Amino acid sequence: NAGVTQTPKFQVLKTGQSMTLQCAQDMNHEYMSWYRQDPGMGLRLIHYSVGAGITDQGEVPNGYNVSRSTTEDFPLRLLSAAPSQTSVYFCASSYLTTNEKLFFGSGTQLSVL
Amino acid sequence: AQSVTQPDIHITVSEGASLELRCNYSYGATPYLFWYVQSPGQGLQLLLKYFSGDTLVQGIKGFEAEFKRSQSSFNLRKPSVHWSDAAEYFCAVAGMDSSYKLIFGSGTRLLVRP
Repeated sequence: NAGVTQTPKFQVLKTGQSMTLQCAQDMNHEYMSWYRQDPGMGLRLIHYSVGAGITDQGEVPNGYNVSRSTTEDFPLRLLSAAPSQTSVYFCASSYLTTNEKLFFGSGTQLSVL
Repeated sequence: AQSVTQPDIHITVSEGASLELRCNYSYGATPYLFWYVQSPGQGLQLLLKYFSGDTLVQGIKGFEAEFKRSQSSFNLRKPSVHWSDAAEYFCAVAGMDSSYKLIFGSGTRLLVRP
């Protein structure tokens, strides 16, 4: 049972570089989301998707792009990385009904120098 | 706007002692409330949730939480803490129209003394 798989686990970027954080789930969940976790600030929602072809912004979307071409995958793109994007990123998914819990990946630790 | 406040950044308890982690929320209607736990280097795992009905909810690992509408609180409790409970705990709130769009508190780190 793979659940929610995030790659890579660690990444170091230079300011201005671009990269994509990958997220895949094998539970046929309609809902997928990206959070960032910063010390003292908990988790903040970046973007989310309620199905293939449908995405929307969360609390802190600036500097990030997403797309959802399949049910399984929900990549997060940083077009021009900034030091303020140094964080731990979590992908989470769930069924799109009430009372359903989120399943989290194990996270990607990103440092932007 | 929805918000969640966890006033305690760190809490230290002795193994076997009781535990209460505080959570206060701000929301215009009856919210969905959750407690998640994060072990070091891991993602989050759901401990328990409140949607409606009985205000005292039971979760996994012996945890429980009580919803108090008058105090806008959803405190997490455990009668006897085990060393393996050392982790970071997050309270979260969501609206009834979007139960999956969670807003998290800043977390409380629990340390357990042997």
